[in-house]
Amino acid sequence: DQQVKQNSPSLSVQEGRISILNCDYTNSMFDYFLWYKKYPAEGPTFLISISSIKDKNEDGRFTVFLNKSAKHLSLHIVPSQPGDSAVYFCAAGLTGGFKTIFGAGTRLFVKA
Amino acid sequence: DARVTQTPRHKVTEMGQEVTMRCQPILGHNTVFWYRQTMMQGLELLAYFRNRAPLDDSGMPKDRFSAEMPDATLATLKIQPSEPRDSAVYFCASGLVQGRGITDTQYFGPGTRLTVL
Repeated sequence: DQQVKQNSPSLSVQEGRISILNCDYTNSMFDYFLWYKKYPAEGPTFLISISSIKDKNEDGRFTVFLNKSAKHLSLHIVPSQPGDSAVYFCAAGLTGGFKTIFGAGTRLFVKA
Repeated sequence: DARVTQTPRHKVTEMGQEVTMRCQPILGHNTVFWYRQTMMQGLELLAYFRNRAPLDDSGMPKDRFSAEMPDATLATLKIQPSEPRDSAVYFCASGLVQGRGITDTQYFGPGTRLTVL
């Protein structure tokens, strides 16, 4: 049973437009959420996170939105750049715990 | 520039052989995680350690996988005997956790791509 789901395996966006990556979770106990970005032949790198006490967190071109009632979070990238082309993993867990549950990832293609 | 290192980067072996993957966490980090990436499951947590002590290895097939930290600079993941279904990319990550668990960032190594024929 996948507790963190990224239902879109891939997404293609034009440079300069907005990229929206979605993530759903099933465990209502999760209170901390993260996005990681992964380039080919490299390990994932931390991108942005959000605590369940917030509904939005912004860092430059990246914004994560959390909808607790829907158990849904999304990552917005504005404007999208070709260098953003990568696999994006959504992850969730419990504050104070150590176990992070990752989704299957969404591959983003940003076309120049 | 501190980073997590993993060896080997690629490993091709035959079914039934023993495989050992090694990880050097970032100096000073007190947690180490092992993940496996497959196309279907994404990143699966296999095991993690805090201060070299195993906290959870429930994600690992116990009969063939083992994870250890013989010292603070080395973590190992061993598969014996290996099977074709073990083919995947195995990532090690380390972090500095100061009582807040996953709120602290994990730093991933480049991974070991394992192919079991």
